[in-house]
Amino acid sequence: DIVMTQSPDSVAVSLGERATINCKSSQSVLYSSSNKNYLAWYQQKPGQPPQLLIYWASTRESGVPDRFSGSGSGTDFSLTISSLQAEDVAVYYCQQYYSPPYTFGQGTKLEI
Amino acid sequence: EVQLLESGGGLVQPGRSLRLSCAGSGFTFSVYAMSWVRQTPGRGLECVSIISNSGANTYYADSVKGRFTISRDNSKNTVYLQMNNLRIEDTAVYYCAKRAATLDYWGQGTLVSVSS
Repeated sequence: DIVMTQSPDSVAVSLGERATINCKSSQSVLYSSSNKNYLAWYQQKPGQPPQLLIYWASTRESGVPDRFSGSGSGTDFSLTISSLQAEDVAVYYCQQYYSPPYTFGQGTKLEI
Repeated sequence: EVQLLESGGGLVQPGRSLRLSCAGSGFTFSVYAMSWVRQTPGRGLECVSIISNSGANTYYADSVKGRFTISRDNSKNTVYLQMNNLRIEDTAVYYCAKRAATLDYWGQGTLVSVSS
């Protein structure tokens, strides 16, 4: 199984500041024939199910604010929130869908 | 509006069975694969089972293989998870989600508690 490891486990960022969450996979999730990284990011607010933010490592899901961006390739990825808003307080998860089982990171708790 | 509504969770003793249901609406159900994902504080998010749009292909996590069965009824826009021989470690919130890889819609979840 591909192991996804996020860092840090939790982070506090001031309103309006930049937040960055990292995700590392135990093997590459880049599919060479398509040049796509099979990596997604989810946001989970308290009491709610996860919500898809980003897929293909950097493509925002419809309706996701453009302050959210994803980057990286191969085994190292990042989710960046350019200017933190109060409603961004949540736990964020990365997920690989390169090969089943499609595994998630342990989550990063983002606080203000 | 896409909606997924899970039902069937509850408290059950080890070794017993439970069947979860997930009714979908607001999208063409028969076009999409569906997934069951569970969440616990200790183990986080785990994709336990996936079923193709037609139901012909299924996937199970090793932790549930041989005990859980996923199925779907496209005429009822519903996906099921039959859970047999439940173990204490199956205790979790179970979500159904649309699609197999990038899970673009999730239900609110149903709690399964396995305890004697």
